[in-house]
Amino acid sequence: GAGVSQTPSNKVTEKGKYVELRCDPISGHTALYWYRQSLGQGPEFLIYFQGTGAADDSGLPNDRFFAVRPEGSVSTLKIQRTERGDSAVYLCASSVGPPPDTQYFGPGTRLTVL
Amino acid sequence: DQQVKQNSPSLSVQEGRISILNCDYTNSMFDYFLWYKKYPAEGPTFLISISSIKDKNEDGRFTVFLNKSAKHLSLHIVPSQPGDSAVYFCAAIKTGGYNKLIFGAGTRLAVHP
Repeated sequence: GAGVSQTPSNKVTEKGKYVELRCDPISGHTALYWYRQSLGQGPEFLIYFQGTGAADDSGLPNDRFFAVRPEGSVSTLKIQRTERGDSAVYLCASSVGPPPDTQYFGPGTRLTVL
Repeated sequence: DQQVKQNSPSLSVQEGRISILNCDYTNSMFDYFLWYKKYPAEGPTFLISISSIKDKNEDGRFTVFLNKSAKHLSLHIVPSQPGDSAVYFCAAIKTGGYNKLIFGAGTRLAVHP
């Protein structure tokens, strides 16, 4: 079956611009997660959705970052006024149920802010 | 404040030998631990997990050992194969309402013929 997909695979933008990153979870998975991975580091938790609601957004670094999952399936991570420090690989994962159910990761979106 | 630490950034092992990857954690509230494997340009792939009520879990060539008193876990791969060459991440979580999976920085394993 289809795994987690993320689009775009690469995104290059200029400082100050707005970007949207999309995640399509595995069909039927109720839980969805966003992580950010910087070079040489492990994935860092950003936000966790259970269904349509953000059950835990404590990992979002500041109010420039926002994520939605309006119908409980596809999710969009939105970053306003991008900064060079936002450059990273943004990973999405989904699981059948809440933690600690196994999380299945997508290939990530590599964001570069010039 | 790194709660999960993988102190070896890289490891090189000969094919057929044992690979041992290590991980230390500081938060005694963690009660579930996982290993993920990552190939370039792909997302991490779940490998094996262990609950804190166990001290060993085995799945084929992969065995994870947990030493709660030392706050240490290790992943053993026997025998190592060239296809095992990847970055391995250790991760930990406190179950029961705490949602964050905390990852270490990873260890790059190279298995050479």
